[in-house]
Amino acid sequence: QSALTQPASVSGSPGQSITISCSGTSSDIGGYNYVSWYQQHPGKAPKLMIYEVSNRPSGISNRFSGSKSGNTASLTISGLQAEDEADYYCSSYTGSSTLDVVFGGGTKLTVL
Amino acid sequence: QVQLVQSGAEVKKPGTSVKVSCKASGYTLTFHYIHWVRQAPGQGLEWMGIINPSSGSTNYAQTLQGRLTMTRDTSTSTVYMELSSLRSEDMAVYYCARGRGRDGYNYFDYWGQGTLLTVSS
Repeated sequence: QSALTQPASVSGSPGQSITISCSGTSSDIGGYNYVSWYQQHPGKAPKLMIYEVSNRPSGISNRFSGSKSGNTASLTISGLQAEDEADYYCSSYTGSSTLDVVFGGGTKLTVL
Repeated sequence: QVQLVQSGAEVKKPGTSVKVSCKASGYTLTFHYIHWVRQAPGQGLEWMGIINPSSGSTNYAQTLQGRLTMTRDTSTSTVYMELSSLRSEDMAVYYCARGRGRDGYNYFDYWGQGTLLTVSS
């Protein structure tokens, strides 16, 4: 089971929108609606931003949204703010007997 | 409020073992699964395994089978992660995280603060 594929970096200016893609297979993203997204600031623990493809936990801004099409999930951040600059990781359940959960390699978001 | 508080940083020699604790508060430990995830320096997240604190049943990533053991003490609401035969590649920050959804696999809603493991002779 390989890691999910994310772009290494994305950037945008304040107020703009960006989208981070997360590509998997029919055995993970394509097979289950158990995709989640995590934000991680340097030296901090990951923080849940989106769960089950498109749901936002309480307290997460509606500027963050998630979607899925086939084997690819996406995280969109609208109205970029300086505090959004962080690493973002996608994750999916796999149902595999060798690796139950797989993460993407992470995407560094830079707010210009 | 829900909190997962982990034990402090560890320095271990290659070939030895480490045991990291994760104490849950603000909810009943046995109601939700606990996962362990690690992050090597400058790298991404790696899922290690899951424990059902109610039954004690576990499931580990195949790459860590034989070296990884997860246990729990329900009397203190604490989950433990023990990794043996340590090697330099095990140097990482180790996180516990609460699992939600079907069988606790859908997503991780709360994370511990992380425990840094240094492996050095």
